[in-house]
Amino acid sequence: DTAVSQTPKYLVTQMGNDKSIKCEQNLGHDTMYWYKQDSKKFLKIMFSYNNKELIINETVPNRFSPKSPDKAHLNLHINSLELGDSAVYFCASRARTQETQYFGPGTRLLVL
Amino acid sequence: GENVEQHPSTLSVQEGDSAVIKCTYSDSASNYFPWYKQELGKGPQLIIDIRSNVGEKKDQRIAVTLNKTAKHFSLHITETQPEDSAVYFCAASTHGQNFVFGPGTRLSVLP
Repeated sequence: DTAVSQTPKYLVTQMGNDKSIKCEQNLGHDTMYWYKQDSKKFLKIMFSYNNKELIINETVPNRFSPKSPDKAHLNLHINSLELGDSAVYFCASRARTQETQYFGPGTRLLVL
Repeated sequence: GENVEQHPSTLSVQEGDSAVIKCTYSDSASNYFPWYKQELGKGPQLIIDIRSNVGEKKDQRIAVTLNKTAKHFSLHITETQPEDSAVYFCAASTHGQNFVFGPGTRLSVLP
């Protein structure tokens, strides 16, 4: 009964490809997030999304786009992958009335 | 925007000793300060948090202190055990929005 789950766990792909990472939460939360963790372990927010509002970190290239088919899912689509996109991507979620964010296990992306 | 600094970047302690990790933040509007533990190959897990209306919070061997005036907060782990070895992140946010994380502290507890 994993609270926040991500697929795949590992993703190895070639430069220039398009890929998607999926995230699902079964906590009934209203807001979901995507974070990028680089090789130095630094965690940076990429997107914050609820059913009304998408907030984008202005440093995120427009090759990255979140897609939410419903309240429990927030997928991350990446176009034209670049070497520098290699990182661990974490999904997180939060209830509107609470401050705590709950993280998924991460997707390790390697672009060759 | 908010900026969070964290020190030290690495910390080694003997099993049974205490460990202290310190963070500072810049935005006086920040009012929620969680600490996360990230074990190898896993996602960050919340271990303790504190809100700006409280100066100290304790949960068994873990405690967090907050000094709003100085804009710094600290994580204290007592009686450390090998399973405490991990990367620890502090964060600051306003009402749970826009988490800004510190750069992390790699804690090693030596048996």
